[in-house]
This record gives sequence, C-alpha cells and structure tokens, in this order.
Amino acid sequence: GAVVSQHPSWVICKSGTSVKIECRSLDFQATTMFWYRQFPKQSLMLMATSNEGSKATYEQGVEKDKFLINHASLTLSTLTVTSAHPEDSSFYICSARPGTSGINEQFFGPGTRLTVL
Amino acid sequence: QQQVKQSPQSLIVQKGGISIINCAYENTAFDYFPWYQQFPGKGPALLIAIRPDVSEKKEGRFTISFNKSAKQFSLHIMDSQPGDSATYFCAASYNNDMRFGAGTRLTVKP
Repeated sequence: GAVVSQHPSWVICKSGTSVKIECRSLDFQATTMFWYRQFPKQSLMLMATSNEGSKATYEQGVEKDKFLINHASLTLSTLTVTSAHPEDSSFYICSARPGTSGINEQFFGPGTRLTVL
Repeated sequence: QQQVKQSPQSLIVQKGGISIINCAYENTAFDYFPWYQQFPGKGPALLIAIRPDVSEKKEGRFTISFNKSAKQFSLHIMDSQPGDSATYFCAASYNNDMRFGAGTRLTVKP
C-alpha cells in the first residue's frame, strides 16, 4: 500500500514553455501533498505544501507565480512550471501524507526529471 | 538554515561490514525521524523511522539509535551488501514540516 505515482517520469521542453507534472496517491487519500526539488547530488528541498481544496504554502524563495500548485482532490496534485528556463531543470519529487495517519510519514513518488533546453 | 546535519557525506564499506550514518537536529519540536534510501533517478523510499520516545528501533539489518538529550540519531546497516549502495537521507519532522539532511552516498564494495 501507500503508493504515489508521478507523471511524466521525464520531460524535455523548450525554454519559455510550461510543463505540468501530476502526482497521484493510488491507494490512499492524501490530505496533504508536498513538492520537492532535488538538484544533482544534493538533498531534497521543499518547495511547497498543499492541502486539498486550499492554496499551497510556498517555502521562502520559491516563486508562487512560476510554480503553480493545484491540489484539486484527495488523490491528485499538480505542479506547473510556467515559462520554464534552463535553471529550472531539476528532479521534481512529490510526496503525500495519508489523512488517517497518526504520524508524519510521507510517501514519495518516483520523481520527474525536467530538462529545459 | 540547516536544521538537520548529516555525516559523513560519503562512505565506503566492505561487504559484510557495518555502515554508520549520523544525524543531528536543532529543533526540539521534531517528533518523527525517518531514514530514506534513494537510488539514482528514483524517489526516496522509507527505510525505517523512529519517534523520540524510544532509544532504538531495529528492522532486519537496519537499526536506528536515538539520543534525545544530544539531539542526535544514527542509522546502522549491519552486514552491508552491494545492493545497499545508494544515497541515504535522514529527516526530522513535526506536523507538515519535514527537513532533510544533506545525504550520505554509501558504496558497499564486494
């Protein structure tokens, strides 16, 4: 149980275009989902936290208008990188926290590799 | 501000040996301490986790030792295998706030 999927697993786009990444909890309802960014050989950096039906909370330094997050249902959150530039190239990972969990456990997706040309 | 400090950055261990990775945290509000294993190009996978009301937790070859007064915790991998070669991240969490260590790249030599 507790499987989180991401789509696509990798994407290449041209500079200036927008890219949408989906994160789904397959076998549980996630009241809270998280988006992380990971650069090569570095740790995971939290970008934003989203609760179903409400606006996402962004970490300091993360541009809200550039990284649009929508958590429309208890099993789906999307991250849209708007007007992507080469410096946005990174590994984007989502995680989900079950609503019924009594602890802070997060289940991670397999990640999406974004390359902006 | 780095809230979770992890060491060493990299670790090379012979097959069958013990791998030890250490973490220290600052925020005493943290109440959940997981360890994640990540292979290249994959998302992190939960390995083992502990809460501060216990000092040790063992699952198979993996053991977490937790020292609440020192605000430190460590991962011990017994009988390390080449398949354990990966990057390991410790983390500390309180409610929706989870902070990761910098990661340790473990290489287990056959």
